[in-house]
Amino acid sequence: AQSVAQPEDQVNVAEGNPLTVKCTYSVSGNPYLFWYVQYPNRGLQFLLKYITGDNLVKGSYGFEAEFNKSQTSFHLKKPSALVSDSALYFCAVRDARGTYKYIFGTGTRLKVLA
Amino acid sequence: GAGVSQSPRYKVAKRGQDVALRCDPISGHVSLFWYQQALGQGPEFLTYFQNEAQLDKSGLPSDRFFAERPEGSVSTLKIQRTQQEDSAVYLCASSLSGVNEQYFGPGTRLTVT
Repeated sequence: AQSVAQPEDQVNVAEGNPLTVKCTYSVSGNPYLFWYVQYPNRGLQFLLKYITGDNLVKGSYGFEAEFNKSQTSFHLKKPSALVSDSALYFCAVRDARGTYKYIFGTGTRLKVLA
Repeated sequence: GAGVSQSPRYKVAKRGQDVALRCDPISGHVSLFWYQQALGQGPEFLTYFQNEAQLDKSGLPSDRFFAERPEGSVSTLKIQRTQQEDSAVYLCASSLSGVNEQYFGPGTRLTVT
């Protein structure tokens, strides 16, 4: 069975500091991994994805994530946080084999403090 | 360009009523997904269409839930005999294919009283 875990409900970071939002997953085959962001009163927006290839993927707004197969993780990172990055972040996974079903985590609220 | 649109944005239904939620995906997007999002939770997969074919309906919680996409574009999620536990935001998303990024609509907030 597929699953995804976002262990932190909330992450606080000072503006200008690096940020990390954690995600671990479980699938039986190879994973397709995604990060989405939800700003207040706005729909979910795509940030980045890992399908295959380079383990480090770069996405929108300066975000990046590293696929780590041995640790089954796909943590979201940004070198220097902005106040405008404050939002709700969702990790999602789909097993590459035999299903179209995407599993989303419960979300991590990022708060960047000025 | 136009994104994914959903209507109505808000729906209040009395318990036992039937409701129909509409999704207009981005033109040319082959894949269409429906999700249910409860308060404080992530989206939960309901069903997936590739063009007009419903390839995965494993997430539909009961036989009261039914989805269709007859011409491979607009999709409708129908809930029969609504129950209080159906209260949630229903999200629609479309993508170029099953592995591309999904573009989400604003959602329909359903409240069953």
